[in-house]
Amino acid sequence: AQKITQTQPGMFVQEKEAVTLDCTYDTSDQSYGLFWYKQPSSGEMIFLIYQGSYDEQNATEGRYSLNFQKARKSANLVISASQLGDSAMYFCAMREGVTSYDKVIFGPGTSLSVIP
Amino acid sequence: EPEVTQTPSHQVTQMGQEVILRCVPISNHLYFYWYRQILGQKVEFLVSFYNNEISEKSEIFDDQFSVERPDGSNFTLKIRSTKLEDSAMYFCASTPRGAPNYGYTFGSGTRLTVV
Repeated sequence: AQKITQTQPGMFVQEKEAVTLDCTYDTSDQSYGLFWYKQPSSGEMIFLIYQGSYDEQNATEGRYSLNFQKARKSANLVISASQLGDSAMYFCAMREGVTSYDKVIFGPGTSLSVIP
Repeated sequence: EPEVTQTPSHQVTQMGQEVILRCVPISNHLYFYWYRQILGQKVEFLVSFYNNEISEKSEIFDDQFSVERPDGSNFTLKIRSTKLEDSAMYFCASTPRGAPNYGYTFGSGTRLTVV
């Protein structure tokens, strides 16, 4: 069964607008971490933001925020004030467990295109 | 900023040949990983490595694959007899100890093409 679901294979957003990329996950663990990564066309994987399952506040990093709804098992990424450089593939990912070395599994990704 | 270095950036090999993909993780990181991404598809876990041994491996990581940390700095992935379906981008990643909120630092990847 899919552990990470990203239902939007492709999204468009106007420059300077905000956009929400959806992510739902499936786990029976109480302790887990959620990540978002960006993959531009150049191919590298860039870590954006992290949310721990016990964190009560939604994570924020600059223009990125994570809308964490634990009961719904969703961890949507919100990008405010989109820029052309935000055009990329975005992957939601999860680490089950709290140890650093637990593997991270990735969702299928959402391709975001920012329109001038 | 420290980075994970992968070489080569692109490798073309004949089916059935052995390839070794090389990675130099960040020096104070203790956990190392290989992932692969078939073109346009999801990023798949292959193997994790800690304290000079495999911590976990996926079902993709069969007997054709092996990993090694031969000298305390390099971390290698060997594919013994490549198949066409091994063509993918291979990412090395590392993370420090005791930082569960630390996202992996990924290398820039090696694009493996098997012909």
